Parts: sequence; C-alpha cells; structure tokens
Amino acid sequence: DAGVIQSPRHEVTEMGQEVTLRCKPISGHNSLFWYRQTMMRGLELLIYFNNNVPIDDSGMPEDRFSAKMPNASFSTLKIQPSEPRDSAVYFCASSNEAPGELFFGEGSRLTVL
Amino acid sequence: RKEVEQDPGPFNVPEGATVAFNCTYSNSASQSFFWYRQDCRKEPKLLMSVYSSGNEDGRFTAQLNRASQYISLLIRDSKLSDSATYLCVVRSGYSTLTFGKGTMLLVSP
Repeated sequence: DAGVIQSPRHEVTEMGQEVTLRCKPISGHNSLFWYRQTMMRGLELLIYFNNNVPIDDSGMPEDRFSAKMPNASFSTLKIQPSEPRDSAVYFCASSNEAPGELFFGEGSRLTVL
Repeated sequence: RKEVEQDPGPFNVPEGATVAFNCTYSNSASQSFFWYRQDCRKEPKLLMSVYSSGNEDGRFTAQLNRASQYISLLIRDSKLSDSATYLCVVRSGYSTLTFGKGTMLLVSP
C-alpha cells in the first residue's frame, strides 16, 4: 500500500517567491497533519484537518502560511511570500480516528535563499 | 516550561550496551504517550506506545510515571541499527500530538 506521498521532496527558492507543498494522505485516513521540523524547534504542528475540515490551525506561524484540503486525498500548504526563516523540512502525516500512530510522508525540504 | 522535554544527547554507546532515555511532560491532563524513532534525514515512525503499567517490545521497554509526569525508554543489547533520534510524544487533546525535540543515540562497534 502506498504511504503518505509528499511533493516536492526538495525545493530551493528565493525570498519573496510563493511555495506550494503537496500531500496525498493514506487512503481511508480521515485526519491530516502538517508539521514543520527545524534543528532549533524540533517538530511543530502547523495545522490539523479532520474529514477535510481545518480543526486546529493555531500553529500556523502567520498569514503568509495557508493550508487547504479540498478533498480526502489531497492537501496543500502554501507560503506566500517565502522568507529565509521558513527554511525547514515540512512533513505531512495522516491517521485514522484518534491518532496514536501518525504515518508521515518523507517530507519536503525547503530552502529559502 | 516546554510541553515535552528530552535530553538532546547524543548518547554514544558501544554495541551491546543498555541505554535509557527520559522525557518529561508539562500537561498533567495528557492522555497518551508514545516513542517515535527518526533516522537521519528520514521521517519519524512509531516505535511503541507507552502504557501506564509499562510495556516491553523485544529489547525495548517503555515506562510511564504519571505522578512525576515522566516517560522512559530502555534499550537493551544495543545494535548498530538502533542509531537514530528517539522522539517522545504526548497526546493531550483529542487529536494533537506534541513531539519532544528528540534524543540522539549513536551505537558504535
């Protein structure tokens, strides 16, 4: 079975550019999470969807970040405009029911110059 | 106080050694506890859940002390393949999992 699929795996962009990260959760999972990981702050939850509805977006850093889940099989995380401090690995994860086990994608490594 | 705190390490141990990691959490209402493992430049994966009575999975033993808000992971007979970062994870609300920053383990021949 396919796991969580993220794209792109790597992105290098310049400050001010728009970045869109994509995620396909595991089929049948009803919860989707976007996390950001840096050396300084570790894994931070950005936003959580349940049945395609955003439930908790308190971790979204600021208005430059937005996330959507138009259907059960696709989500995007957008940063506009990007800044160097956004450089991190962005993970998407999905789970079924109350999460104990989160299944993570391989991550999108973002570098903003 | 951070929600989930871990000693970042690294812990350098020889093969065959026993090593223990500790984790403390700040929210006394936390409901569920887990250890995840993350290999270098890879995604985190669930290692094991932590139950109130303590639980064992092969060489790995996890324990929970709710009174002290403390979780531990013990690895016996360390293997080279155990080298990774171990993340302590706490669930407080219905959905939110909070991750510690992880403890790095390096097992050497």
